[in-house]
Amino acid sequence: SQQGEEDPQALSIQEGENATMNCSYKTSINNLQWYRQNSGRGLVHLILIRSNEREKHSGRLRVTLDTSKKSSSLLITASRAADTASYFCATDEGETSGSRLTFGEGTQLTVNP
Amino acid sequence: SAVISQKPSRDICQRGTSLTIQCQVDSQVTMMFWYRQQPGQSLTLIATANQGSEATYESGFVIDKFPISRPNLTFSTLTVSNMSPEDSSIYLCSVDTGVQPQHFGDGTRLSIL
Repeated sequence: SQQGEEDPQALSIQEGENATMNCSYKTSINNLQWYRQNSGRGLVHLILIRSNEREKHSGRLRVTLDTSKKSSSLLITASRAADTASYFCATDEGETSGSRLTFGEGTQLTVNP
Repeated sequence: SAVISQKPSRDICQRGTSLTIQCQVDSQVTMMFWYRQQPGQSLTLIATANQGSEATYESGFVIDKFPISRPNLTFSTLTVSNMSPEDSSIYLCSVDTGVQPQHFGDGTRLSIL
């Protein structure tokens, strides 16, 4: 069953603005991952943050993890029209990384040029 | 990173028929997974494809409806049996190499008339 909840479900911003998406989960995790899905395509892995990490950066992406609140956020800075996609968080509850993933409901991001 | 080829990329089928989806990886991988993504929704894990043994199914999914094969460490198939319009979804395979995050194929877009 899905344990992740994401908000907002949909987000529409202008190019150059920052986009923040949030994810909450219910169980203990080994790591939390963020994926992007362009319309009609498969998922692209963006970033992985382990349960003992609090923040991670990758280019214009910044991910935070608060295990006490069982929540994570994904920040995309200086957004571009090409960032338009659906973004999903996924939790790995296994003892080793890369095991079964449970996905959140996703946020549909639209970046207007 | 592993390159995943999923076939077919899309299909339109008649109700009551079955379709087999193939997932080929360019390297040996430890684990392979099959997910379903219903229209406008997130991903739900169907099963873990185990090499040389029966797949491990998640709650709500059964072998009679979604038989899975995994004859070796680079290949798996998912069959959607006795299809109904409710089976219209994107079906995705993913692989876990044990050292990298899960990678996904581009998915199979299935429509049942």
